[in-house]
Amino acid sequence: EAQVTQNPRYLITVTGKKLTVTCSQNMNHEYMSWYRQDPGLGLRQIYYSMNVEVTDKGDVPEGYKVSRKEKRNFPLILESPSPNQTSLYFCASSSALAGVGYEQYFGPGTRLTVT
Amino acid sequence: QKEVEQNSGPLSVPEGAIASLNCTYSDRGSQSFFWYRQYSGKSPELIMSIYSNGDKEDGRFTAQLNKASQYVSLLIRDSQPSDSATYLCAVNSNSGYALNFGKGTSLLVTP
Repeated sequence: EAQVTQNPRYLITVTGKKLTVTCSQNMNHEYMSWYRQDPGLGLRQIYYSMNVEVTDKGDVPEGYKVSRKEKRNFPLILESPSPNQTSLYFCASSSALAGVGYEQYFGPGTRLTVT
Repeated sequence: QKEVEQNSGPLSVPEGAIASLNCTYSDRGSQSFFWYRQYSGKSPELIMSIYSNGDKEDGRFTAQLNKASQYVSLLIRDSQPSDSATYLCAVNSNSGYALNFGKGTSLLVTP
């Protein structure tokens, strides 16, 4: 089954404790992206990647890191989480980089709470 | 900042009626347009994509695109209570790789 998976699905942590949210897709997609979703603010892009070792900042990259060492994986790293990073996080992937075919498919989401 | 605007709603329609959802965007260079459905606490699910002016139909859904007026709409015919969700409009500009989302319109279909 074609899918995007994320782990963990739920995470409660404390301020400053480094964490990684994993994302993996089995569709051989070039493009992967991370979003956060907050009430009243909608979906905002954190980082995206056009291919292995190629990443770029989205609209809200502060406090996050990413890496793309393999095509299928795109982990999101919070090196020192703060309460304002409490949010619902989604990973997405697409076969195209833009234009026709640029449908993005989303993972199930990770609900992160930082206390 | 490339803006995508949607009425937050809620838009309430009776079961069996047509629901009409609208979206406007600011970047004239935009070339790809998408509608996602999102149930509370779940991930966005792609329901329609449209790339050229005009209408595109898929089952009960019709997407309409007017690039000159910079709007895209989604019609849902024969609305069902299971269509009650938030509908997200997303737009991609040919000047970048980002997909910009509107904040969504909440749709409530009443039995």
